Amino acid sequence: DIQMTQSPSSLSASVGDRVTITCRASQGISNFLAWYQQKPGKLPKLLIYAASTLQSGVPSRFSGSGSGTDFTLTINSLQPEDVATYYCQTYNSALPTWTFGQGTKVEIK
Amino acid sequence: EVQLLESGGGLIQPGGSLRLSCAASGFIFHNYPLTWVRQAPGKGLEWVSTISGSGGSTYYVDSVKGRFTISRDNSKNMLYLQMNSLRAEDTAIYYCTKHLLYYFDYWGQGALVTVSS
Repeated sequence: DIQMTQSPSSLSASVGDRVTITCRASQGISNFLAWYQQKPGKLPKLLIYAASTLQSGVPSRFSGSGSGTDFTLTINSLQPEDVATYYCQTYNSALPTWTFGQGTKVEIK
Repeated sequence: EVQLLESGGGLIQPGGSLRLSCAASGFIFHNYPLTWVRQAPGKGLEWVSTISGSGGSTYYVDSVKGRFTISRDNSKNMLYLQMNSLRAEDTAIYYCTKHLLYYFDYWGQGALVTVSS
């Protein structure tokens, strides 16, 4: 099975900061990578898929990059409404299975 | 507007059975794979099971294989998850999700399943 490891597990940053979250796959996954945002008490929301494609309606301060095993989610100019836990997710066509990372909690300093 | 509405959650004793349902609307139902994702209290997201648009292919996480069965009724726009031999570790909110390629673009509100004596 593919393991997805996110880092850091949590972070605290100031409003306006640039925030970067990393997701590493245990084996190459091409660009089969999505990022979700889950605000406290709310449903997960798809932000980015295929590693770098912004889902419709998602603010442009969110961006994704990477391919193979290493991926990043970047929030340019962190806003108070971005307080949430962020998850990466991949798809393994061989089995197939879907796997989430353990999550990264983002707070405002 | 896409809508997914789960039902059927509740409190069940270990070893018991429960069937979750998900009523879908707002999209061409049979064109899309659907997935159940769960989230234990205070924990992260876990993929549980996926079914193809036709219903002919199904996939499960190892921890539920042989105990859970996913199915769909394309004539009724309904998704189901039959859960047997439930364990305490199955306690979670279960979300019905619609696929966008290999990802999940719409999520239901979730159904809470609590397995406890």
